[in-house]
Parts: sequence; C-alpha cells; structure tokens
Amino acid sequence: DAGITQSPRYKITETGRQVTLMCHQTWSHSYMFWYRQDLGHGLRLIYYSAAADITDKGEVPDGYVVSRSKTENFPLTLESATRSQTSVYFCASRGQGLSGNTIYFGEGSWLTVV
Amino acid sequence: SQQGEEDPQALSIQEGENATMNCSYKTSINNLQWYRQNSGRGLVHLILIRSNEREKHSGRLRVTLDTSKKSSSLLITASRAADTASYFCATNMDSNYQLIWGAGTKLIIKP
Repeated sequence: DAGITQSPRYKITETGRQVTLMCHQTWSHSYMFWYRQDLGHGLRLIYYSAAADITDKGEVPDGYVVSRSKTENFPLTLESATRSQTSVYFCASRGQGLSGNTIYFGEGSWLTVV
Repeated sequence: SQQGEEDPQALSIQEGENATMNCSYKTSINNLQWYRQNSGRGLVHLILIRSNEREKHSGRLRVTLDTSKKSSSLLITASRAADTASYFCATNMDSNYQLIWGAGTKLIIKP
C-alpha cells in the first residue's frame, strides 16, 4: 500500500522564493496535517485539515499557506521562504472515530533555505 | 507549546538490556501515544493508552500511565540494535485532532 507520500524529499531554495511541498495519501483519511520538526522543539503543527476545503491554523502557521481541494492531497506552500523555515516537514493523516487515534506520517521533506 | 516532555533526552544501553523512557504532561488527557522515529524517517505509531487505562503491552513494549502524576513510561524489554531510534510521546486532550508532542528521547542500543 502506498500510504502517505511527500515530495520533494530534499529541497534547497533561496530566501524569498516560493516553495511548495506536496503530500498525497491513499487511505481517504479525513484529517491531514503538516508539522515541522526542529531540534529541541519536537513536532510543531503548522496547519491541519479536517476534510476537503476545510483547513485551519496550527501552532506555527505564519509564512505558510495550505489548500485541500481533494481529500487525498494537502500541499504546503512557503510563499516567501526565510532561513528560519529551514526544517524537516512532515505530512500526516488520520481517519475518523476510534480508528483515527493513530496518525500516519510521511517520510519527511528536508528543506534548506539559503 | 510542549505538553509532553520526555526523560531522559538520550539513553545509551547494551543490547539485551531493558530501556525505560518517561513522559510527563501538564493537562488532563484523553489518551497518550508513543511513536518511534528512525533516523531520517517519519514517525511510526507504537502504542496508545487511554486515560482510563493503567498499563498496556504490545510485544516487547510496555506502557504505563499514571494520571495522578501526569506521567507515562515506555519500557522496551530485551533491546535490540534495531530499537535504536528516537521515541516521542504525544498527548491527545480530547477527541479532536490535535496531538501535543514532546521533544523525544534518543535511544542508542550498543551491540
């Protein structure tokens, strides 16, 4: 099973450029999430989506934009990348009800902003 | 904000020994989950324990939850080299989507 895939896995970009990280899941999970992981901070939620066309801010949304036109896709865009956005980005998904307690993660996207 | 805090931050033990990691949290929870992250990979769910449960087992994993102390522990018995990873606890405060994550414990199993 394909599960949840992220692309690109590695990206180097320049300050001020727009970058989009893609996330695709094959389970038709309702909820999808974007986290960033930085040393010493654990995982911090950037944005989440409860269903197609429904998105909401997490803990650290500034500088990021998301969309969810289809259930399976949840792209994350950095509109004007900054060095502080250098991080590892994880997309995740979960279902609903009791089966939705487990979150499934993608393999991560390593982003370096120079 | 960080709800869960793991202790220790790093742990290095010999293969075959048991590894114990602890997680403390600040507010009432619905459930607490443990995840493993191998180097350079995404997180993988290990086990979930609900607020009305005190202990749960899954293979070589044993999780305990003490809601009065707002703490949980993860015990890995008979450790193997493949257990080398970072372990994170995450708390869910109600039935909504959000998990609050700790900074993780880095476990190294020496052969």
